[in-house]
Amino acid sequence: GNSVTQMEGPVTLSEEAFLTINCTYTATGYPSLFWYVQYPGEGLQLLLKATKADDKGSNKGFEATYRKETTSFHLEKGSVQVSDSAVYFCALMLTGGYQKVTFGTGTKLQVIP
Amino acid sequence: SAVISQKPSRDICQRGTSLTIQCQVDSQVTMMFWYRQQPGQSLTLIATANQGSEATYESGFVIDKFPISRPNLTFSTLTVSNMSPEDSSIYLCSVEGWGEVTGNTIYFGEGSWLTVV
Repeated sequence: GNSVTQMEGPVTLSEEAFLTINCTYTATGYPSLFWYVQYPGEGLQLLLKATKADDKGSNKGFEATYRKETTSFHLEKGSVQVSDSAVYFCALMLTGGYQKVTFGTGTKLQVIP
Repeated sequence: SAVISQKPSRDICQRGTSLTIQCQVDSQVTMMFWYRQQPGQSLTLIATANQGSEATYESGFVIDKFPISRPNLTFSTLTVSNMSPEDSSIYLCSVEGWGEVTGNTIYFGEGSWLTVV
């Protein structure tokens, strides 16, 4: 089956620190990979995605590279802000028509001034 | 991209009652999906709703508890029946959509935050 494993949270960083949230996956096919962000009191927003090996998704200073050899899709940001405090979900979806989205457990990020 | 509106955004419900959540999409979509997010947890798919057919439920979810309607290509409802405190969750509607920048992507509504007392 398909699964997504994220690093446990919460992650607490000082403003302007470097962020890495690890995500690895197992899939029976060739998935598209996503990062979603959920700000306090809000729904999920797509942060970035990648559809094939070596693709890099990027948005709002966040980046993640689809690494097929290590089955990983780690989220990074060079300098976090207080406004980045949220829960981040890694997810996968198999390609070829709609397939169920498999989510990781989420990683809570807290950025302190 | 797809813009999804959910109603209600929040509600406090009495034990034993039922509540219907509405999901409206700004474009026609083949399938709509309902997820549940229990407090501090990840998302779990409840069911997939195709227009003109019965919804397909995931393991652990049944139609009697979560009846779903899909009357047209832009609208769906999820009812949470005979609620108990364990049903206190965020319920999210989602669709697959196409964005020029993002390509094939899954979009979510803002969620309906239900608290059962």
